[in-house]
Amino acid sequence: DAGITQSPRHKVTETGTPVTLRCHQTENHRYMYWYRQDPGHGLRLIHYSYGVKDTDKGEVSDGYSVSRSKTEDFLLTLESATSSQTSVYFCAISETTSGGYEQYFGPGTRLTVT
Amino acid sequence: AQSVTQPDIHITVSEGASLELRCNYSYGATPYLFWYVQSPGQGLQLLLKYFSGDTLVQGIKGFEAEFKRSQSSFNLRKPSVHWSDAAEYFCAVGLGFQKLVFGTGTRLLVSP
Repeated sequence: DAGITQSPRHKVTETGTPVTLRCHQTENHRYMYWYRQDPGHGLRLIHYSYGVKDTDKGEVSDGYSVSRSKTEDFLLTLESATSSQTSVYFCAISETTSGGYEQYFGPGTRLTVT
Repeated sequence: AQSVTQPDIHITVSEGASLELRCNYSYGATPYLFWYVQSPGQGLQLLLKYFSGDTLVQGIKGFEAEFKRSQSSFNLRKPSVHWSDAAEYFCAVGLGFQKLVFGTGTRLLVSP
């Protein structure tokens, strides 16, 4: 499972409240990613990190921010949650392999914004 | 822009029958290509990947995929489907910084 944990696993929050999701990895991987999964859309990249304090936007970054102050933790923050951010959020790491790389995913966080 | 198309939203296959899930990509260079599987309520598991070389790649659980540059395709196949293969399957193309762009997925139903 590549040593990836996500917390919380489930969260219900109200519109307008801030929310932070945590991704923790134990194997010192350089690259980390946050995706959201919605029916009919597959997985879409929100933000990614290529090192400590090095982050960039993905395809659907509006309304989200991230931070990576140490290698093992990648935090996703919804500054003011909206109902459109109800989704399942997956964290992933990328591991360089012979000739390429492989991404491994955490178990996901189900977020409901009411 | 890079994109991945999985034209079939749902596919139903009888147990024991063969399976082919379609994937087409749009990418300017030689792509890195991946197939993932997601069982209900679970995370994603890597089935197989293509980086270069032999265009027919083998993966876990008896799956294989063939890269066809002329058709911009990377279709997933299995000769005999088991009930436990019922899941959602995602094709993805790799970009810089080891990012992935995913297709919208194909849900596989297996009938007895």
